[in-house]
Amino acid sequence: SQQGEEDPQALSIQEGENATMNCSYKTSINNLQWYRQNSGRGLVHLILIRSNEREKHSGRLRVTLDTSKKSSSLLITASRAADTASYFCATDDFGNEKLTFGTGTRLTIIP
Amino acid sequence: GAGVSQSPSNKVTEKGKDVELRCDPISGHTALYWYRQSLGQGLEFLIYFQGNSAPDKSGLPSDRFSAERTGGSVSTLTIQRTQQEDSAVYLCASSYWGRGESDTQYFGPGTRLTVL
Repeated sequence: SQQGEEDPQALSIQEGENATMNCSYKTSINNLQWYRQNSGRGLVHLILIRSNEREKHSGRLRVTLDTSKKSSSLLITASRAADTASYFCATDDFGNEKLTFGTGTRLTIIP
Repeated sequence: GAGVSQSPSNKVTEKGKDVELRCDPISGHTALYWYRQSLGQGLEFLIYFQGNSAPDKSGLPSDRFSAERTGGSVSTLTIQRTQQEDSAVYLCASSYWGRGESDTQYFGPGTRLTVL
């Protein structure tokens, strides 16, 4: 079963704009990770944020985590055509190493 | 170094046949995970290994599914008597399990299984 919902399900923006995706989850977590998937194949790890962290940056990526609201957001700044992909959040809880994935956001960057 | 590799990349089989899917984790990674991704179910956990043992098999959908890992490295996922609903992309991931804390899981390219 899916742990979380991602919002929006699909997003199309112009190249150069910022893209924001949201993820909500249901249970307490140990950490939350964001992954990118191109063409329905392998997942590429983007960033991991631990439950005691509130914000993390990596290059053009900014992730926030609000454990009180059980939600996270992924911001991609200055988007590029190569950012076109599906983005998934995934959580794991304490003592349970498996990842539970959200439903994903399909991001399309229009050149 | 090399990432997680999976073989075959694509597998087409007839209903009722058995299939074996292989995963080579990143060298030195002690934990190995199998997931599958299908249109109707999204990404679902199947099984995970710590070394050669499988503490969590809760995601295996039926007793037709089994997995093993030998030498703390390569893993094989076997599906017996395949059914059409087994059609999906099967993804393998590995991570370095240190100090009892979970870590980033690195995924392979997946095996696309089509059951006719």
